[in-house]
Amino acid sequence: DAGVTQSPTHLIKTRGQQVTLRCSPKSGHDTVSWYQQALGQGPQFIFQYYEEEERQRGNFPDRFSGHQFPNYSSELNVNALLLGDSALYLCASSLDFGTGLDYGYTFGSGTRLTVV
Amino acid sequence: AQKITQTQPGMFVQEKEAVTLDCTYDTSDQSYGLFWYKQPSSGEMIFLIYQGSYDEQNATEGRYSLNFQKARKSANLVISASQLGDSAMYFCAMRETLNDYKLSFGAGTTVTVRA
Repeated sequence: DAGVTQSPTHLIKTRGQQVTLRCSPKSGHDTVSWYQQALGQGPQFIFQYYEEEERQRGNFPDRFSGHQFPNYSSELNVNALLLGDSALYLCASSLDFGTGLDYGYTFGSGTRLTVV
Repeated sequence: AQKITQTQPGMFVQEKEAVTLDCTYDTSDQSYGLFWYKQPSSGEMIFLIYQGSYDEQNATEGRYSLNFQKARKSANLVISASQLGDSAMYFCAMRETLNDYKLSFGAGTTVTVRA
């Protein structure tokens, strides 16, 4: 049973460029969340997609946008890259729970983005 | 304000011994969930254990147990019989209410198991 798949694993971009990261959720999952993890810090919530809509957003600028496709896969787009965007970007999938707090998030291994 | 505080940046533990990782949280909600994740150098976040705010008993999962002290807003992770493969970063996280879908993470604790 495949878990969460993220691509690419590593990426180097120049300041001002745009980047697209991709995520395929675990089989059977319909919700995708994105997190940014700077070096030496805990992950920070960017946003969550459900039914192809952004359901909740963290404290990130509009340069960060996303999309969810009918097959539940997702993309994270970052425009006008800054040096501070260098981080590990984690995708997490889950099955929309509705009733419980103890839903299971499955994380991918992330995409390490370096902005130079 | 920080919702999750992990005060131990790094810890060393001898193989086969137990280690306790501290986590305190801040919330005004009555209903919330607390999670611990392990992150090896590969980057993947691996779920270890969950504790609900209304759970009366401390959660246990194999060698992992959670020491939940609700009045102190504390949710410490205990790893018993440490193994070399336990060397990793450990994160405490919280989800508040059913209408909040995000996990709020602490800064993490690095655990190094010595042979």
